[in-house]
Amino acid sequence: GQQVMQIPQYQHVQEGEDFTTYCNSSTTLSNIQWYKQRPGGHPVFLIQLVKSGEVKKQKRLTFQFGEAKKNSSLHITATQTTDVGTYFCAGVDTNAGKSTFGDGTTLTVKP
Amino acid sequence: DAEITQSPRHKITETGRQVTLACHQTWNHNNMFWYRQDLGHGLRLIHYSYGVQDTNKGEVSDGYSVSRSNTEDLPLTLESAASSQTSVYFCASSPYLPTSGALYNEQFFGPGTRLTVL
Repeated sequence: GQQVMQIPQYQHVQEGEDFTTYCNSSTTLSNIQWYKQRPGGHPVFLIQLVKSGEVKKQKRLTFQFGEAKKNSSLHITATQTTDVGTYFCAGVDTNAGKSTFGDGTTLTVKP
Repeated sequence: DAEITQSPRHKITETGRQVTLACHQTWNHNNMFWYRQDLGHGLRLIHYSYGVQDTNKGEVSDGYSVSRSNTEDLPLTLESAASSQTSVYFCASSPYLPTSGALYNEQFFGPGTRLTVL
């Protein structure tokens, strides 16, 4: 079945440093979604990428979808303490007709 | 305002008991999902539904069942609770938007239910 792998599992940064998490799928995706979960909270949708090679930006966050639609990345520029949380990707497989979440990358930011 | 709610928020039960977790959404979304989240793991899909009377098994469906009798609700039942089912359970819903170009869209998650099976 479809597998979605996310790396790294944990990332500790100093406030102001950049952060990147990577998502890789074993199958070609229809679209990919990114979510953020604050400690003790529930996942909250950040963005969806649909097109091959798509790049979207939200303030300090940059999301990319690979040309082959099998990988994606989330990059945060100049992290802030408010960026703390776990970032999940969810890959939608056309054949399976459902999404599979990666295990997430937990970001901690030291002030 | 439209929302998605889960009840109870916390539940402690004993091994072998039947437990039902409620999920209710007021967005009129066709798609609803149940996930479990364990420490060190992401969100694992238990069951999902694309509309009334439609239910499908996810990757970790053994020991769980769902029914969809209306658009708003997707209750999750643990037939005979086991300690391995101690977890945080999240319900989610998403709209079906055929013109969006995506298979399906943003999932809205409920606040979660923390279930402990002793």
